[in-house]
Amino acid sequence: GQNIDQPTEMTATEGAIVQINCTYQTSGFNGLFWYQQHAGEAPTFLSYNVLDGLEEKGRFSSFLSRSKGYSYLLLKELQMKDSASYLCAVREGTDKLIFGTGTRLQVFP
Amino acid sequence: GAGVSQSPSNKVTEKGKDVELRCDPISGHTALYWYRQSLGQGLEFLIYFQGNSAPDKSGLPSDRFSAERTGGSVSTLTIQRTQQEDSAVYLCASSPSSRATKETQYFGPGTRLLVL
Repeated sequence: GQNIDQPTEMTATEGAIVQINCTYQTSGFNGLFWYQQHAGEAPTFLSYNVLDGLEEKGRFSSFLSRSKGYSYLLLKELQMKDSASYLCAVREGTDKLIFGTGTRLQVFP
Repeated sequence: GAGVSQSPSNKVTEKGKDVELRCDPISGHTALYWYRQSLGQGLEFLIYFQGNSAPDKSGLPSDRFSAERTGGSVSTLTIQRTQQEDSAVYLCASSPSSRATKETQYFGPGTRLLVL
């Protein structure tokens, strides 16, 4: 079956670092995506991992371990505008994405 | 350039009525996807198109749901005899090709459907 797990909610302080974990069990694997979604808005692409290791992009980094079915999104130097939901999604085959329920992050001053 | 657009942005309908939701993908994108996001739930895959054909309809929840795409561009998702459990945000996404590996999907703003 398909299962993607991430924490429902997280809180952090402005300027801090937060790590959002995602574990997955899917019938196929062809890449893992992280999206950011502000309330009432469309998801926007953050990162993509298909090989093991860390991908860094500015304040955001994403890590993948295929053998463990595990990924995390690391957000550094948190800003208030980072308050949003973060969606982990696995691509099976060549088409559809399977999404987790998302992690709602609240950043406090 | 213009992103993915969807219309209407909000739709309120009565139980039992039919609704049509429209998606205009990014120009030149051959792959188009429909997802549904219910309150407190993750995005749920419904159907995807490569060009005008739909190789994967596995996510459509019932035969009340159908979708078509014409001219390799605009797509319409139709829900017949709507039920209250159909209330959700319906998101459309497009990408240059479904066979691309690194290419992400670009999402539209969604249609918020409320069935009374």
